[in-house]
Amino acid sequence: KAGVTQTPRYLIKTRGQQVTLSCSPISGHRSVSWYQQTPGQGLQFLFEYFSETQRNKGNFPGRFSGRQFSNSRSEMNVSTLELGDSALYLCASSSAPDRTYEQYFGPGTRLTVT
Amino acid sequence: GQNIDQPTEMTATEGAIVQINCTYQTSGFNGLFWYQQHAGEAPTFLSYNVLDGLEEKGRFSSFLSRSKGYSYLLLKELQMKDSASYLCAENAGKSTFGDGTTLTVKP
Repeated sequence: KAGVTQTPRYLIKTRGQQVTLSCSPISGHRSVSWYQQTPGQGLQFLFEYFSETQRNKGNFPGRFSGRQFSNSRSEMNVSTLELGDSALYLCASSSAPDRTYEQYFGPGTRLTVT
Repeated sequence: GQNIDQPTEMTATEGAIVQINCTYQTSGFNGLFWYQQHAGEAPTFLSYNVLDGLEEKGRFSSFLSRSKGYSYLLLKELQMKDSASYLCAENAGKSTFGDGTTLTVKP
């Protein structure tokens, strides 16, 4: 069974631009969560989607948004990029929302904002 | 991470036993889990505790005390490949991760 895939793996953007990251969960998994990981803040929860609905949201500004498609693939978008948005963005999938403890992480997208 | 406390760094010797502690706030608690993350890689699931007590999985064990808001991860017969960051995370509707404990295993 293929694991969680994320594209692109690396991305360089400039301040003010917007970016879209993609995540394909493990086949059969319908819950997708997004995290931001930085050396200073650790792993922080962004949002969780299940059946195309956002179930939970972390404490991030409205510039961070996401969506999930009917095939469970998910995208997250960051608008008006700031230097502080440079981070590793991780996507994790699980079979159902109440099984979020058994999350399988993708390799991440390394975003650098210059 | 907010509400989760774990030591920043630990060092241990190959073949030894190490215990990584984690404390969390108990409101809205649904479970406590541990992840391992090697440098430059994504976290991988290690264990999950929802009831009090010890869960053993090979060389790794995890303990939970809900009344004390306390958990620990026990690693036995340490190997060099166990050098990694160990993340404690609380499941309270949404996952809240600690900042991780960087474990260095020395020969």
